[in-house]
Amino acid sequence: RKEVEQDPGPFNVPEGATVAFNCTYSNSASQSFFWYRQDCRKEPKLLMSVYSSGNEDGRFTAQLNRASQYISLLIRDSKLSDSATYLCVVPEGKLIFGQGTTLQVKP
Amino acid sequence: DTEVTQTPKHLVMGMTNKKSLKCEQHMGHRAMYWYKQKAKKPPELMFVYSYEKLSINESVPSRFSPECPNSSLLNLHLHALQPEDSALYLCASSPWTSGNNEQFFGPGTRLTVL
Repeated sequence: RKEVEQDPGPFNVPEGATVAFNCTYSNSASQSFFWYRQDCRKEPKLLMSVYSSGNEDGRFTAQLNRASQYISLLIRDSKLSDSATYLCVVPEGKLIFGQGTTLQVKP
Repeated sequence: DTEVTQTPKHLVMGMTNKKSLKCEQHMGHRAMYWYKQKAKKPPELMFVYSYEKLSINESVPSRFSPECPNSSLLNLHLHALQPEDSALYLCASSPWTSGNNEQFFGPGTRLTVL
């Protein structure tokens, strides 16, 4: 089993839709988690950090389920500018990246 | 100043050339990193510097040579690269050295080896 697994997608959704990505991790001792966003040919940018059960920032909500060892990212009211690859990251002495989930928001 | 800068943005080099990539941060971060990223793949860690000392080398070939002249600067010296080394090279920094904290990435250098 990979340390961090994500559905690569792509997820194609219309503007205004709600979309959720899941990420599973293998190390039950992991304490914190990050979601990064990466636009095409750009660097990853930190979107959200998750240290407890979840975090919310505007249209973005991250939820952590420790029992099932997964983290989800929910995007409400999708915008065209949300189109990007979303990387789930679990720090374990170094950052362990998932393969990324690609989101394409269509007009 | 809350950003990591990298130069050059693009670099094309032959297999016999020697070149250097540069990275700078002025956030007082104590850890700095080099990553390599191929298309449609996540970043792969290459090197970690903690308090200006090399703390992790992820079995990177010796044709890549990192250097940390001071707490704000990180260089990656390139020599005798192969075409398969063509990739986006990302520098990142983090406030602490545990490896379990958020990292902030520079815009990267897109390297092409001919």
